[in-house]
Amino acid sequence: QVHLVQSGPEVKKPGASVRVSCRTSGFTFTAYYVYWVRRAPAQGLEWLGWINPNSGVANPAPKFQGRVTMTRDTSINTAYLEMRSLRSDDTAVYYCTRGPPISVTFAAFDVWGEGTLVTISS
Amino acid sequence: ELVLTQSPGTLSLSPGERATLSCRASHSLSSNYLAWYQLQPGQAPRLLIFEASTRAFGIPNRFSGSGSGTDFTLTISSLEPEDFALYYCQYYAGSPYTFGQGTKLEIK
Repeated sequence: QVHLVQSGPEVKKPGASVRVSCRTSGFTFTAYYVYWVRRAPAQGLEWLGWINPNSGVANPAPKFQGRVTMTRDTSINTAYLEMRSLRSDDTAVYYCTRGPPISVTFAAFDVWGEGTLVTISS
Repeated sequence: ELVLTQSPGTLSLSPGERATLSCRASHSLSSNYLAWYQLQPGQAPRLLIFEASTRAFGIPNRFSGSGSGTDFTLTISSLEPEDFALYYCQYYAGSPYTFGQGTKLEIK
């Protein structure tokens, strides 16, 4: 069974950085893109970027370029999202989700992690 | 830039009733890469529908999707208690993988 298990909640001060992990199981980690999405309080869902776990190539959404880094460790089938220079409006639940197979261009996000609450507060 | 507008913002219905959720695109979508997701508090989001009308694996057949171009609909034929949740549509044909702002389906 496919699972994405995320790290626990975080509380950070403005200007700090946070790293969220997403441990996968039940499928070949290097065969699927991993996407990151967030949902801020009373807001909709927002795409943050994707990483190709096979090559390590990552593509942050334009809005987050320079502030978001996505990496992976193939030895433990885990993807990571790091966000820097945190602001209060970065308070949100951050989700990892399985994207399309590497060989496929477009596919819906079929399996999601349970989310990691990141709270930015001074 | 694509905008997906979902309506209504909140839908109040009773179990057993039929729910119709709308997702309207700001311009005609060139492909039917339109998905619907369900969000329950404290749970992982769940993919319900992809390619506008195909049910994802394990999704009950009371959920159905339809539409093309600018107008898409998620229909729940007879609401079960576990269906009261948040619903989002998404166009996943590349960056920025736009989501709608969501519809909250609440118990009347």
